[in-house]
Amino acid sequence: GAVVSQHPSWVICKSGTSVKIECRSLDFQATTMFWYRQFPKQSLMLMATSNEGSKATYEQGVEKDKFLINHASLTLSTLTVTSAHPEDSSFYICSARHPWTPYNEQFFGPGTRLTVL
Amino acid sequence: AQSVTQLGSHVSVSEGALVLLRCNYSSSVPPYLFWYVQYPNQGLQLLLKYTSAATLVKGINGFEAEFKKSETSFHLTKPSAHMSDAAEYFCAVSDPTGGGNKLTFGTGTQLKVEL
Repeated sequence: GAVVSQHPSWVICKSGTSVKIECRSLDFQATTMFWYRQFPKQSLMLMATSNEGSKATYEQGVEKDKFLINHASLTLSTLTVTSAHPEDSSFYICSARHPWTPYNEQFFGPGTRLTVL
Repeated sequence: AQSVTQLGSHVSVSEGALVLLRCNYSSSVPPYLFWYVQYPNQGLQLLLKYTSAATLVKGINGFEAEFKKSETSFHLTKPSAHMSDAAEYFCAVSDPTGGGNKLTFGTGTQLKVEL
């Protein structure tokens, strides 16, 4: 149980276009999901916390107009990178908090590799 | 504020040798602590977690970690390394009193296992 999927697993886009990444909890309802960004050989940096039915909470330094997050249902959160530029190229990972799992444990998706040309 | 320090960005061991990956934390309250493993181009998989019960925590794949409050440490060990253990390992800390249920990650340790 507690499986999280992401789609697509990789995407290549042209500079200036927008890209949407989906994060789904497959076998549980997640009221809270998290979006991370990971640069090569580096750690995960939390971008935002996504709560179902409310606005996302962004970490300091993350442009909310650049990285649009929508948590429209208990099993789906989306991250849209708007007007993408090469510096947005990165590995984006989502995670979901299972409501019945204590200790703040998060279940992670497999990640999405974004390359902006 | 919480933080995690992982000493040694790269660790290399021989197959069959002891694995020791270091993690020290900083927290104003007794924390929850986690070790995750990441294989190339994949998400994170939970190895084990400390949640204020037993200080010696056993996880998957033969890994274990010991919570030492006096040393503010949560080092990850495995008695005998296997080639399949080669991966990136992240230590993470969370505030059990709230804090938005966030995880704060260390910078990671790349484990290399040699024949």
